Amino acid sequence: QKEVEQDPGPLSVPEGAIVSLNCTYSNSAFQYFMWYRQYSRKGPELLMYTYSSGNKEDGRFTAQVDKSSKYISLFIRDSQPSDSATYLCAIKVTGNQFYFGTGTSLTVIP
Amino acid sequence: DAGITQSPRYKITETGRQVTLMCHQTWSHSYMFWYRQDLGHGLRLIYYSAAADITDKGEVPDGYVVSRSKTENFPLTLESATRSQTSVYFCASSESKGVGNIQYFGAGTRLSVL
Repeated sequence: QKEVEQDPGPLSVPEGAIVSLNCTYSNSAFQYFMWYRQYSRKGPELLMYTYSSGNKEDGRFTAQVDKSSKYISLFIRDSQPSDSATYLCAIKVTGNQFYFGTGTSLTVIP
Repeated sequence: DAGITQSPRYKITETGRQVTLMCHQTWSHSYMFWYRQDLGHGLRLIYYSAAADITDKGEVPDGYVVSRSKTENFPLTLESATRSQTSVYFCASSESKGVGNIQYFGAGTRLSVL
């Protein structure tokens, strides 16, 4: 079993839709959770990070962590064509080591 | 420019050749990392370094060598390239402190081994 599992998609939505991206993880000891966005032929860039259970908002983006279910989500409201990218969840294991999900490819159609 | 830079951006080589991928960061971050990204596998850690002259293996270290004589540089060497090492390689860095120890990535090196 992988430490973190992510639905690879691809996901295609119309502009303005609400997008839900999800990951599950195996170890309840994991504490820090992150979402990275990766545009085609670019490096991943940090979108959001969260430590505790619950929601964290940043503009159109909301990161949600449910530690009891070992489930993390990223919601994008009012999705835009510029949101078209691959989204990677990441979980901090220990020290400075991370496990990354395989990524979900998102296309927002104008 | 400030940040983390990788070179070359694209590289084509033949099996058996030695290849070195370069990574340079200007933030004086303590930690540096090398990942490879392959379809279906996501990002997998090859090697990481906590400081100059301190390196450690990650999930997939076989066939790779790293060194870190200076804080800002972290080259990755494929001593005898194989076709299975065709991949996109990303370098990242992070501070030793701070919430989450956020990693910042370079733009990547796309390597093809023929």
